[in-house]
Amino acid sequence: DVKVTQSSRYLVKRTGEKVFLECVQDMDHENMFWYRQDPGLGLRLIYFSYDVKMKEKGDIPEGYSVSREKKERFSLILESASTNQTSMYLCASTSGGLAYNEQFFGPGTRLTVL
Amino acid sequence: QKEVEQDPGPLSVPEGAIVSLNCTYSNSAFQYFMWYRQYSRKGPELLMYTYSSGNKEDGRFTAQVDKSSKYISLFIRDSQPSDSATYLCAIPPNSGGSNYKLTFGKGTLLTVNP
Repeated sequence: DVKVTQSSRYLVKRTGEKVFLECVQDMDHENMFWYRQDPGLGLRLIYFSYDVKMKEKGDIPEGYSVSREKKERFSLILESASTNQTSMYLCASTSGGLAYNEQFFGPGTRLTVL
Repeated sequence: QKEVEQDPGPLSVPEGAIVSLNCTYSNSAFQYFMWYRQYSRKGPELLMYTYSSGNKEDGRFTAQVDKSSKYISLFIRDSQPSDSATYLCAIPPNSGGSNYKLTFGKGTLLTVNP
C-alpha cells in the first residue's frame, strides 16, 4: 500500500525557533512536494524536489528551505519560525510517469507557532 | 485570472441530495482534470480523474468536463454523511517543464446532514 508519512501530526513551537518537518515516502517516487493549507487560501506549493539534492521554489518559498539527501525523504525547514507560519503542512509525492500525475499525500502536520 | 477557480462554499445538504461541485479554469490546453477528496484532519486523496471532454462515472460519483466553457463538475448522487469532506479540483499543467506539478482549486467544504 502506497504510503507517505510525516514526522509529526501536531507541533507547537515558539517564534524564532528552527523547525524541521520530515516526510518519507515508500513508493520510490522521484518527485516530492511541500504544501501549506490555510482556510480560504487552499493548498499552496512551498517547494518541490524532482530528484535527490534537486529542488525548485514553489509559489510561497519565503521563510522556508528544504533538503533532500535521500530519494525517500524530503524535509521542510523553517529557519526562524514566525506566527504567520502557523498552518497545516502537507507533503506529497508522485512518480511523474502518468500524464495526470496523481500526487499521494501524507496526513499533514498542524504547526502552531506561538 | 487564476488558473483554477473553485467556489469554497461551504455547502450543506440533506442526506440523499444530489451535490454539484464546480471549478473553472483558464488554460484551454489543459487535458486532464482531477478531483481530490480530503476528510477532516487527513491529506487529500485522488477520487477520480477525467481526460479531455465528457463524463466519467464511478459509483455515485460523476466527473464532467466542458472544455468549450472551461468548466469541470463533480456530481454526487444519493449523498451520504460519509461524503462530508473538502473536495478539491486539480489540473496538471500541460506546457513544458514541470508537468508533475498540480494546480489545485481552493476546495469546497461539503457537509451531508443525516
